Amino acid sequence: DAGVIQSPRHEVTEMGQEVTLRCKPISGHNSLFWYRQTMMRGLELLIYFNNNVPIDDSGMPEDRFSAKMPNASFSTLKIQPSEPRDSAVYFCASGNWGQETQYFGPGTRLLVL
Amino acid sequence: DAKTTQPPSMDCAEGRAANLPCNHSTISGNEYVYWYRQIHSQGPQYIIHGLKNNETNEMASLIITEDRKSSTLILPHATLRDTAVYYCIVRVGLGGGADGLTFGKGTHLIIQP
Repeated sequence: DAGVIQSPRHEVTEMGQEVTLRCKPISGHNSLFWYRQTMMRGLELLIYFNNNVPIDDSGMPEDRFSAKMPNASFSTLKIQPSEPRDSAVYFCASGNWGQETQYFGPGTRLLVL
Repeated sequence: DAKTTQPPSMDCAEGRAANLPCNHSTISGNEYVYWYRQIHSQGPQYIIHGLKNNETNEMASLIITEDRKSSTLILPHATLRDTAVYYCIVRVGLGGGADGLTFGKGTHLIIQP
């Protein structure tokens, strides 16, 4: 299996621009998670989906952030408009009920200038 | 989820056993202890989990005290590739894929040649 796939791996954009991060979970997994990592705040859960339905988005920092999962094999995290404080590494992870592990992707390194 | 306390950093000589402690004095009866690690510039990786019995897998051993208020992750023969941040997470054992993980600051383990 290819594991969790994230794209792009690196993104540099200017403040005010729209940013879209993409994730392909491991085939057959029914849970998908978006995390953000910064030096100041560490690893934080932003939102997670079960069977393509958002379950908990309490970690989404503000309305500028939105996430969708149109099908079992694809999810997006969108930031519009982006701000310099959104600069971070964004990780996607997937897992399954009955399994004890989440599998993380390699992350997208976002820099907002 | 109950909170955990870990030392911020530890050193260990290559080839020796690395013992990483974690305190979780407020753990509830239905909460498991999970360990993940994050190697530099990679996504977190699941290591092991347990409820009250000691556990061992190909990566590590987990020793949980009888009162369950603390645990120790043991890497039996540490290599340079084990240098990473190790996270101890306490959570209800619905299955690792069921809901999100709450990461603390973890322990930065440095394996010395």
